[in-house]
Amino acid sequence: GQQLNQSPQSMFIQEGEDVSMNCTSSSIFNTWLWYKQDPGEGPVLLIALYKAGELTSNGRLTAQFGITRKDSFLNISASIPSDVGIYFCAGPTRTASKLTFGTGTRLQVTL
Amino acid sequence: NAGVMQNPRHLVRRRGQEARLRCSPMKGHSHVYWYRQLPEEGLKFMVYLQKENIIDESGMPKERFSAEFPKEGPSILRIQQVVRGDSAAYFCASSPELAAYNEQFFGPGTRLTVL
Repeated sequence: GQQLNQSPQSMFIQEGEDVSMNCTSSSIFNTWLWYKQDPGEGPVLLIALYKAGELTSNGRLTAQFGITRKDSFLNISASIPSDVGIYFCAGPTRTASKLTFGTGTRLQVTL
Repeated sequence: NAGVMQNPRHLVRRRGQEARLRCSPMKGHSHVYWYRQLPEEGLKFMVYLQKENIIDESGMPKERFSAEFPKEGPSILRIQQVVRGDSAAYFCASSPELAAYNEQFFGPGTRLTVL
């Protein structure tokens, strides 16, 4: 089945630093979604990407859909304490009936 | 995830009891998805439903688990004769009729603990 691997698995950064994380797949995806999950809550959609090579921003977040369609990247600029959480990439299956989620990147921000 | 409602938020059951988890999708959404998340892991798809129909249940265990999305009322995920391994967070997501872009919006989840 499709698998999504995220790296790094966890990150400890200082407030104000920029963050980069990526997601790679063993197969091609036509859509990439990036979610953030706070402790005890459900995932919240941050950015959706629909086209290979696409670069999309949402405030301090920027995500890119890799040219090969097998990877995606998420960058967070000037991190703040509320950026703490787990970031998941996700993509739909060919049938579009379900999302495959990545393994997650846990972000910790220190003051 | 504003709009997708799940209840209860926390549920404790003893082994052998039944667990019923409810999900009300966002207004105007007729597609519902259930996912399970074990500690320190990503979400795993269980079942996809439209009103009164199960479309894809490939991720749901064949025994003890069932799901429905009636014409009226919330979607229900039912787990019969729960075991300790069923302890997890269960999330519901919904998408609009024309889910061309595969965007799913998640509820806050139900955390099931089996004693």
